[in-house]
Amino acid sequence: DAGVTQSPTHLIKTRGQQVTLRCSPKSGHDTVSWYQQALGQGPQFIFQYYEEEERQRGNFPDRFSGHQFPNYSSELNVNALLLGDSALYLCASSVLVQTGAQETQYFGPGTRLLVL
Amino acid sequence: AQKITQTQPGMFVQEKEAVTLDCTYDTSDPSYGLFWYKQPSSGEMIFLIYQGSYDQQNATEGRYSLNFQKARKSANLVISASQLGDSAMYFCAMRSHTGNQFYFGTGTSLTVIP
Repeated sequence: DAGVTQSPTHLIKTRGQQVTLRCSPKSGHDTVSWYQQALGQGPQFIFQYYEEEERQRGNFPDRFSGHQFPNYSSELNVNALLLGDSALYLCASSVLVQTGAQETQYFGPGTRLLVL
Repeated sequence: AQKITQTQPGMFVQEKEAVTLDCTYDTSDPSYGLFWYKQPSSGEMIFLIYQGSYDQQNATEGRYSLNFQKARKSANLVISASQLGDSAMYFCAMRSHTGNQFYFGTGTSLTVIP
């Protein structure tokens, strides 16, 4: 049973460029969430996708956008990269639970993005 | 607003000893879930244990147990019989009943000493 996978593992970009990160959820999961983790910090929620639509968004600018495909995999796109976008980007998958707070998210290994 | 506080930036424990990692939270939601994750240097967040706000008993998963004190809004992680492989960052997280996102603390770095 494959867990959450992410690609690429590492990426180096320059300011102003655009980047696309990819995520494949754990088998049987239909919901994908993206997080940004700056060095020495806890992960910060970017957004969540379910049924190919953005369900909820954190406090991130529109430069951050995403997409979910029919096979539940997802992409995170960041435009006009800034130095401050350098971070570990984590993808988490889960099964949507309509009520209650028991939904456990399982994380991938992350993509380390360095913006120069 | 939801908030998770982890006040211990770093902790040391002797191998085979038990250690408690502190976590306090703030929420006005009546129903919520509390989670602990382990993050080794490789970066992957590994799910350890879950506690629901209405669960009567403290959660346990192998060597991990969660000391849940609802009135004090604390959800401390207890690791028994520490192993060298337990050395990692540990994050406490919360998910509210009404939201879809997880809120994480700033983490505690645990080092197990041989």
